[in-house]
Amino acid sequence: RKEVEQDPGPFNVPEGATVAFNCTYSNSASQSFFWYRQDCRKEPKLLMSVYSSGNEDGRFTAQLNRASQYISLLIRDSKLSDSATYLCVVNTRGGSYIPTFGRGTSLIVHP
Amino acid sequence: DTEVTQTPKHLVMGMTNKKSLKCEQHMGHRAMYWYKQKAKKPPELMFVYSYEKLSINESVPSRFSPECPNSSLLNLHLHALQPEDSALYLCASSPPSELNSPLHFGNGTRLTVT
Repeated sequence: RKEVEQDPGPFNVPEGATVAFNCTYSNSASQSFFWYRQDCRKEPKLLMSVYSSGNEDGRFTAQLNRASQYISLLIRDSKLSDSATYLCVVNTRGGSYIPTFGRGTSLIVHP
Repeated sequence: DTEVTQTPKHLVMGMTNKKSLKCEQHMGHRAMYWYKQKAKKPPELMFVYSYEKLSINESVPSRFSPECPNSSLLNLHLHALQPEDSALYLCASSPPSELNSPLHFGNGTRLTVT
């Protein structure tokens, strides 16, 4: 079983739609969580960190459910420019600090 | 604009060539990473340096040789690569003692091995 799992999609939604992605993690020692956005042939860019109480940044809302070991990303009022791959990253405290990536979820927003 | 700078942006090399990828950051981060990313796959960790010491080598073939000359620089020396090594090579940095800090990525070097 992979440590961090995401539905690869693609999620194909019209402009203005609300879309949500989940990411599950298997290591209960995981301590910090992030969503990255990656455009085709570009580097991943930090979209937002995910805090225990949940957090919002404009149209984007991230939530953490430690009991069920998943994080979510909600995008409201989707724009064409939101089309990208969304990568979930989980940091786990251990002998070394290694960020673990999910495989990414592809989002396509169409007119 | 990225605070982690990678050069070159593109590199084409033959299987007998020796080349190096370079990465530089001036954010005072003491952890630096090399990732390899193939199309439609997530970044795959290769090496981690913490305080200029190699702390993680994810069983990477010896044709890839990392080097961390100082706290701001990270190199990846390439020798006798195979065509399947063609990929986007990403450098990243973070403060190693702060588990809640995200990775900061460079723009990447797109490598093609012919």
